[in-house]
Formats: sequence, structure tokens, C-alpha cells
Amino acid sequence: DAKTTQPPSMDCAEGRAANLPCNHSTISGNEYVYWYRQIHSQGPQYIIHGLKNNETNEMASLIITEDRKSSTLILPHATLRDTAVYYCIVRAYRSGSARQLTFGSGTQLTVLP
Amino acid sequence: NAGVTQTPKFQVLKTGQSMTLQCAQDMNHNSMYWYRQDPGMGLRLIYYSASEGTTDKGEVPNGYNVSRLNKREFSLRLESAAPSQTSVYFCASSRSENTEAFFGQGTRLTVV
Repeated sequence: DAKTTQPPSMDCAEGRAANLPCNHSTISGNEYVYWYRQIHSQGPQYIIHGLKNNETNEMASLIITEDRKSSTLILPHATLRDTAVYYCIVRAYRSGSARQLTFGSGTQLTVLP
Repeated sequence: NAGVTQTPKFQVLKTGQSMTLQCAQDMNHNSMYWYRQDPGMGLRLIYYSASEGTTDKGEVPNGYNVSRLNKREFSLRLESAAPSQTSVYFCASSRSENTEAFFGQGTRLTVV
């Protein structure tokens, strides 16, 4: 699975959009981009995933560049409860799911009041 | 809908003691997993069960055993606990091996 690079930390004002970047320059054609988050002391929570088209659900939007070498997770109106570590994970769809989930160090997002 | 439920939430063991961590999911998922998370580190896979009746080793299986009791339940056993097994343990499940995983709230285990 491709390696990902994320900034270690970011701040965002409450009510503003939080844009979390992820670089995955070695991504291959059959690899998906997944985002999870882990709120302090809780289990990781699935947010969204995509292959090459932009995706949106009730939690967030995922923007993947045309060359698929980077992506951005967007939380449109961040709240204090969105403070968490956000993990960007790239993995091949057919290589297995959670057993192939490699959680790196992620980005600590702090939403400020 | 409870999702993935782990018991107990906290546990303190003495070195050499044994215990079983329980995990149950009510989402009719086929695949289940056990991870451990140490301070400042990501999650590492211990064992997984792709479907009922099958189990496989993950990245760090030594010192652990698992049982996929039925489709709902997947337990993790420490036969002789060691201080190096002090960690937070997470159970997860997914509809199949190729879909997103849902995690429990974790079991915080301390071995003294």
C-alpha cells in the first residue's frame, strides 16, 4: 500500500471549514484513499473514502487531485467535537480491509473556540 | 444500534495472569479484527477473522490467541500476560475484507 504524508498538527476556528491535506505520491491505480479519525481515548471512526472522484457524505468531503497524488479532507463547519487525530490511509481495494489498515501518525486537528 | 462492543473497558493484570477480552458486533459483519495501540503509535493488527470459522495472524500475534465464537463474537486471549502487553486494545468489524471498518471503544489493559 502507498505511503501517506500528513502534517502533524493543524488548528481551525470553530464554524470554519477544516481542510486536511494528505500526500500519496506513490498511489497506484487500484488504491483507494480512506480517512479515519480518532477522538482522544476512543476507537477510530471511519469518515469517508474515494478512488478518483470527489466524494461527499454527511460528515465530510474528500477532494482527490486529478493525478491522485494528493487529497484533502474537508470538514465544512468544524465544531469543538471535531478535535481529533485524522488518519489518511491508502490501500488497494482487493488486498483486504481492516487487516491492511496501516495507521500512521496522522494530523492532530484542534478546533479552537 | 450498539455497533462494536468491547468488554471490559479497563483491566489490570499481574504478570503471568491470563484473561480474555470480549468483542461483539451487531451489524451482521463477516470480518472482525483485534488491534493494539501503544502510546504515540498507530494501531497494529494482532489477529483477524475474515469470516466465521477462520482466523489469521496479523502483524503482532505473539502472546495472543483468538476465537471466532460465532459471527457476532471474536475474543482475544492473553495466556500469560507480560508488561509489554500493556496497551489499549481495539476490536473492529467490517462487512467484508474489502469494506470500511468500524471500531469499538477500546479496552485499556495494564500488566504490572
